Amino acid sequence: KAGVTQTPRYLIKTRGQQVTLSCSPISGHRSVSWYQQTPGQGLQFLFEYFSETQRNKGNFPGRFSGRQFSNSRSEMNVSTLELGDSALYLCASSLLGGRDSPLHFGNGTRLTVT
Amino acid sequence: QKEVEQNSGPLSVPEGAIASLNCTYSDRGSQSFFWYRQYSGKSPELIMFIYSNGDKEDGRFTAQLNKASQYVSLLIRDSQPSDSATYLCAVDDKIIFGKGTRLHILP
Repeated sequence: KAGVTQTPRYLIKTRGQQVTLSCSPISGHRSVSWYQQTPGQGLQFLFEYFSETQRNKGNFPGRFSGRQFSNSRSEMNVSTLELGDSALYLCASSLLGGRDSPLHFGNGTRLTVT
Repeated sequence: QKEVEQNSGPLSVPEGAIASLNCTYSDRGSQSFFWYRQYSGKSPELIMFIYSNGDKEDGRFTAQLNKASQYVSLLIRDSQPSDSATYLCAVDDKIIFGKGTRLHILP
């Protein structure tokens, strides 16, 4: 079974631009979560989607948004990029989400904002 | 505000010894607990999860849960250099992760 696939692996953008990251979950997984990882803050939860609906949202500004499609694939968008948005963005899928479902992470997208 | 706390380390353990990693959590109602391992430059991968009080063993790994004291531990027996990584603890919906403990196995 193929794992979680994230594209692209690396991105370099300039301040003020916007970016879209893509995530394809493991086949059959309906929940997709997004995280931002930085050396200082660790893994921080952005949002979770289940069956095309946002089920949970972390404490990030509205510049960060996402969506999920009917095939469970998900995209994350960051508008008006800031230098502080430079981070590793991780997508994780799970069968049903919630308390009992372990997460399976993709390899991440490394975003650098200059 | 739910919190998950881990000692950032680094924790240095001789090869062949037992490595003990600890995680405390603030929400007494938490029910499920997850340990992830993250190698440098890689994404986190699931090691174990535990729901019930007591111990759960999987090969060289043992997770220990004490709900009364609100902590969960991960023991790694016969530590190997390949165990050198950052270990992340998460609870329930995995909205909150600990910042991780860096483990260094000394050859």
